[in-house]
Amino acid sequence: EAGVAQSPRYKIIEKRQSVAFWCNPISGHATLYWYQQILGQGPKLLIQFQNNGVVDDSQLPKDRFSAERLKGVDSTLKIQPAKLEDSAVYLCASSIGGNYEETQYFGPGTRLLVL
Amino acid sequence: AQSVTQPDIHITVSEGASLELRCNYSYGATPYLFWYVQSPGQGLQLLLKYFSGDTLVQGIKGFEAEFKRSQSSFNLRKPSVHWSDAAEYFCAVGFSGSARQLTFGSGTQLTVLP
Repeated sequence: EAGVAQSPRYKIIEKRQSVAFWCNPISGHATLYWYQQILGQGPKLLIQFQNNGVVDDSQLPKDRFSAERLKGVDSTLKIQPAKLEDSAVYLCASSIGGNYEETQYFGPGTRLLVL
Repeated sequence: AQSVTQPDIHITVSEGASLELRCNYSYGATPYLFWYVQSPGQGLQLLLKYFSGDTLVQGIKGFEAEFKRSQSSFNLRKPSVHWSDAAEYFCAVGFSGSARQLTFGSGTQLTVLP
């Protein structure tokens, strides 16, 4: 079974530029998550989708971050404009449903460096 | 406020030695508890989880964890560490009644000496 795919793996941009990350979840998984993991910290949930609807985006900085999951499969996370403090690893995860007891499967992440 | 604490930022053990990684949470009821492992350049992998029932939980790779309600803890253990266990370990907690999301601790980096 293929895992969660993410691209690119690494990205370096200058502040005020825009950047986009792509995630392809495990086939058949209805729930998709985007996490931000700053160096030295645990992952923090940015947004959770159930199919193509947003379940929780309470910690997404909506003035600069946006995410979409068209057709309930792939998802894109965008930052525009980027700030220095956005330097982090962006992790995508998916699960069959959205309940706690269901395992979240994580992709390898996209490491973003904002200069 | 609800919180998760991993008191040890970095732990070093010798190969073959036993391991215990600490996790404490602050919450009024029993939360949902998880341990994840993250190897360099890899995503997080679930080791084990606890929701209810037997407080000693067995996971993959020979790991186990014990939920202690009186201490608000969910410590991860392994009787004999292998060099391949070197990684970062995250405790995560789901709090019922709030948004259905996990709160992760800040992680414990494990180094294994030959």
